[in-house]
Amino acid sequence: DAGVIQSPRHEVTEMGQEVTLRCKPISGHDYLFWYRQTMMRGLELLIYFNNNVPIDDSGMPEDRFSAKMPNASFSTLKIQPSEPRDSAVYFCASSLGTLNTEAFFGQGTRLTVV
Amino acid sequence: DQQVKQNSPSLSVQEGRISILNCDYTNSMFDYFLWYKKYPAEGPTFLISISSIKDKNEDGRFTVFLNKSAKHLSLHIVPSQPGDSAVYFCAASAKGGSEKLVFGKGTKLTVNP
Repeated sequence: DAGVIQSPRHEVTEMGQEVTLRCKPISGHDYLFWYRQTMMRGLELLIYFNNNVPIDDSGMPEDRFSAKMPNASFSTLKIQPSEPRDSAVYFCASSLGTLNTEAFFGQGTRLTVV
Repeated sequence: DQQVKQNSPSLSVQEGRISILNCDYTNSMFDYFLWYKKYPAEGPTFLISISSIKDKNEDGRFTVFLNKSAKHLSLHIVPSQPGDSAVYFCAASAKGGSEKLVFGKGTKLTVNP
């Protein structure tokens, strides 16, 4: 398996634009997580899905953020409109079984909002 | 409020010596702990975990120690190797790991040849 695949690897956008980050989890994994990494706050869990259903989105910072998982092999994280303070590295991860069995992370998307 | 704290942003050790990375937590409900390692431009990778029913877990060169009374855990790497140079994240969860993970900010370890 190729692991968790995220796209794009880098994204530079202007403030106010819509940004969509994409994730393909490892086949067969039933949990999918979106994390954000910043210097100030470290790694924060934004939202996670179990069997394509959002379970906990309490980490989503604002209504500008939304995430979907239309099927077991694809998820998106959308920011609309984007702001400079959204600049961070966004990671997608997936795992099999209980919530905190070993999670496999993608390589991340580095987002810069100017 | 940081529930998981890694107070040392960085640590530098010599190859062959022991590396000790520390982590403190404030939430007494946490009972499952993990360490992840992250190289630049890559996602974190799972390293080792420990449940609160244990006070030690060992995997090769890596050992995690848990002191529940002090709400403290540490990761020991012996002997340290240059390839261990990375950022190490401590993470914690409640209810036997069924609650979502809370991560620390990470400690950057540099192992000098």
